[in-house]
Amino acid sequence: EPEVTQTPSHQVTQMGQEVILRCVPISNHLYFYWYRQILGQKVEFLVSFYNNEISEKSEIFDDQFSVERPDGSNFTLKIRSTKLEDSAMYFCASSEDKRTDTQYFGPGTRLTVL
Amino acid sequence: AQSVSQHNHHVILSEAASLELGCNYSYGGTVNLFWYVQYPGQHLQLLLKYFSGDPLVKGIKGFEAEFIKSKFSFNLRKPSVQWSDTAEYFCAGMIYNQGGKLIFGQGTELSVKP
Repeated sequence: EPEVTQTPSHQVTQMGQEVILRCVPISNHLYFYWYRQILGQKVEFLVSFYNNEISEKSEIFDDQFSVERPDGSNFTLKIRSTKLEDSAMYFCASSEDKRTDTQYFGPGTRLTVL
Repeated sequence: AQSVSQHNHHVILSEAASLELGCNYSYGGTVNLFWYVQYPGQHLQLLLKYFSGDPLVKGIKGFEAEFIKSKFSFNLRKPSVQWSDTAEYFCAGMIYNQGGKLIFGQGTELSVKP
């Protein structure tokens, strides 16, 4: 069964550094999402992406964040200058058709900002 | 604002006990509802979903959920749990036809004692 994959599984970085989290969505999927879960808190929506542009973003997704689909298979989340409060599990998801609305999630990347 | 809440933080059951996990959403319009499960060390997987039609939906592994519009609820049930059901369960809602953003509840950790 096709799966969403994410790399790395764990990323440790210093505050102020840039990080790029990578995701490979399921190959025939057209809609892509990033969510995050701070330890002990809810899974929160960050951004959705379709047809090479952002469809919707949350208030969390400020100018420090960006997303890209650089090569037709990867979907990346970049955090330009990490803060301590960016420490969280970041989940990528993809769906075939927004109308069917079933999102398939990757295993997550645990980001630790020191 | 739209929100999803799960009443139980941690539920401990013995094998063969019946399970009901509560989920309530707050939104007056059409909502698609989901239950996801995360087994230890694994990614979020879809258990079942409700879009429209029969309010009693059946999912994988013997789970079912009932959508009760008047109570804004979508509780998850299983008549007889197994040790392998030990996992974290997430209820999530999506405003129909609006960007694909999933709004998650805080999750319920289920521990099943053999």
